[in-house]
Amino acid sequence: GENVEQHPSTLSVQEGDSAVIKCTYSDSASNYFPWYKQELGKRPQLIIDIRSNVGEKKDQRIAVTLNKTAKHFSLHITETQPEDSAVYFCAARDGSGNTGKLIFGQGTTLQVKP
Amino acid sequence: DAGVIQSPRHEVTEMGQEVTLRCKPISGHNSLFWYRQTMMRGLELLIYFNNNVPIDDSGMPEDRFSAKMPNASFSTLKIQPSEPRDSAVYFCASSFPMAGPRYNEQFFGPGTRLTVL
Repeated sequence: GENVEQHPSTLSVQEGDSAVIKCTYSDSASNYFPWYKQELGKRPQLIIDIRSNVGEKKDQRIAVTLNKTAKHFSLHITETQPEDSAVYFCAARDGSGNTGKLIFGQGTTLQVKP
Repeated sequence: DAGVIQSPRHEVTEMGQEVTLRCKPISGHNSLFWYRQTMMRGLELLIYFNNNVPIDDSGMPEDRFSAKMPNASFSTLKIQPSEPRDSAVYFCASSFPMAGPRYNEQFFGPGTRLTVL
């Protein structure tokens, strides 16, 4: 089955700097890679996703890149703001069958210092 | 739409008691997922349903855990008997039908924080 590894587990940046979170996956059949943001005490919410037929996707200050050959994908946040502080989870859709099952990484706690 | 609804939001119980968590998915979604979140193990998928049918329950930790989905608008996760190590936040999520451009996005409910004393 699919396995997703996420790094780093914690990340601290100064406001205005960029933040990068990286994930690797094991199943070459996986074709969908979402990123979720979870603020303290809240539910995970989708912030951006990418499908395997695309190498990069951008939405304002957030971008995601995908390298299918190396089986890794990354989240890039530019011009970070204190409200970006949260736990970020990457996920990969299980490639076995058309089920919609997601395998999540362990999460990255991002702290943006004012 | 009100989004995914979960109840109760908080549950405190004593070891050995039965606990039932409830979930109402977003209307029109045909996939429903139960997750458990702890600091040590992160976000774990316990079980998921497609069209009310359990597809994969390999994440259910042991026989004390059971889940049902009697209809498209309701699901329960039951723990009997509960143990202190079951303390966690339990999330329910649902997703769009398999057809369509956004069928993979999962919408999470607010979660149930379970404490077993």
